[in-house]
Amino acid sequence: QKEVEQDPGPLSVPEGAIVSLNCTYSNSAFQYFMWYRQYSRKGPELLMYTYSSGNKEDGRFTAQVDKSSKYISLFIRDSQPSDSATYLCAMEANAGGTSYGKLTFGQGTILTVHP
Amino acid sequence: DSGVTQTPKHLITATGQRVTLRCSPRSGDLSVYWYQQSLDQGLQFLIQYYNGEERAKGNILERFSAQQFPDLHSELNLSSLELGDSALYFCASSGTMSYTFGSGTRLTVV
Repeated sequence: QKEVEQDPGPLSVPEGAIVSLNCTYSNSAFQYFMWYRQYSRKGPELLMYTYSSGNKEDGRFTAQVDKSSKYISLFIRDSQPSDSATYLCAMEANAGGTSYGKLTFGQGTILTVHP
Repeated sequence: DSGVTQTPKHLITATGQRVTLRCSPRSGDLSVYWYQQSLDQGLQFLIQYYNGEERAKGNILERFSAQQFPDLHSELNLSSLELGDSALYFCASSGTMSYTFGSGTRLTVV
C-alpha cells in the first residue's frame, strides 16, 4: 500500500464548477500537507500548505486537513479553464528548524475545466 | 520563474552513457532535493543535501550520485544509463516555510 493515495482521475468539469480533490495517507508522522499544481512539461508549483487540521483559504482555493481520518482535500471554487492541470498532494514528516525533509507525493489528479 | 534553475532542460543520450544534471537553488535556500518523475511511479524522492552535506536518501539507484557544492548548487550524476531512466528530473530547494521546484530536466535514453 502506498503511503499517499490520490485518485488519478481524470476529472473533467465545466467552467464555474466547484472541484474537490482528495488524498488519503497512512503515515501518522506526516505533519505538513501541501498541494501543488503542475502544468504539462513544467515543474510543480506550490498552491497551498498547512500543518494543522482544519481549513485554510486562499482566494478560490481551500485546503482542508483531517488528521484523525488521515484525509486531505483541495477545493477550487469558480473553476477556470486556466485551472486545467495536474494537482498533486504532498506530505512531509520531518520539518523542523530551517529545512524541510523529503516530500511524499500522491499520484496526481488530472483536471480539465472546459469552457 | 520559481528561482530554482535547472540545466539542461532536455537531454537525449544513449544507453550506457553518463550525464550530469545541474541545479541552482533559490537565493538563501540551504537545502536541495532531487526528485524523479515518471508516468508509472509519479514523483519520487531521490536525495537531499543541506548546506553541502547529504541529509536524506530515498529511492536512488547506486548508479546515481549527487553532491552539493560550497556555492550551494547541486549536481545529479546518472551513469550506466538504461532505457528505464528516461524521466523528468526535478530539483527543489527549501527555506523556512517554502519548498520550490525547478522546471526540470527531461532525460531521454535511447
